[in-house]
Amino acid sequence: DQQVKQNSPSLSVQEGRISILNCDYTNSMFDYFLWYKKYPAEGPTFLISISSIKDKNEDGRFTVFLNKSAKHLSLHIVPSQPGDSAVYFCAAPNQGGKLIFGQGTELSVKP
Amino acid sequence: EAQVTQNPRYLITVTGKKLTVTCSQNMNHEYMSWYRQDPGLGLRQIYYSMNVEVTDKGDVPEGYKVSRKEKRNFPLILESPSPNQTSLYFCASKLAGVYNEQFFGPGTRLTVL
Repeated sequence: DQQVKQNSPSLSVQEGRISILNCDYTNSMFDYFLWYKKYPAEGPTFLISISSIKDKNEDGRFTVFLNKSAKHLSLHIVPSQPGDSAVYFCAAPNQGGKLIFGQGTELSVKP
Repeated sequence: EAQVTQNPRYLITVTGKKLTVTCSQNMNHEYMSWYRQDPGLGLRQIYYSMNVEVTDKGDVPEGYKVSRKEKRNFPLILESPSPNQTSLYFCASKLAGVYNEQFFGPGTRLTVL
């Protein structure tokens, strides 16, 4: 049972344009969501999070939007830069604190 | 520097030869965890530990063992590795509490022939 889903395995965007990465979840008890970024040969690193009491959280070029009724969140990167090329994981902690990860989306930003 | 370290980073072994992947963190974190990353499956939790001497199974524990004798160390043991354990492994740690950020090690690429 995949409680957190990222249905796009890959995304290619031109430098300077917007990147939108999507994530869906099935567990309505999730109340906190995180995005992690992973470069090749490195471990994932925390990028941005959002609590379910908000519908938007912004940090520089990165904004996460949460639509609770649709059980959907998205990560927007504006403007996209080649250094943003990485795998992005969406995750949510369950009631026991265990992080449930999506499958990941590989973003490629072309110059 | 606050970090999670794993060793080795790369390992090629043969079926049935016991191996241990070490994990150490210097942030005094209570919670530690092991994940494996496979194409199309994301990060799946193998085992986790809420504190010293407290460990529990994650989603894919079969074929793995762990121990937590000290707070900083959380080794992953494969008693009899099999080819289906070929994967990229990550150790992670965090402070206790649901909403605390997890810090990941650099990963161990394991190939079992």
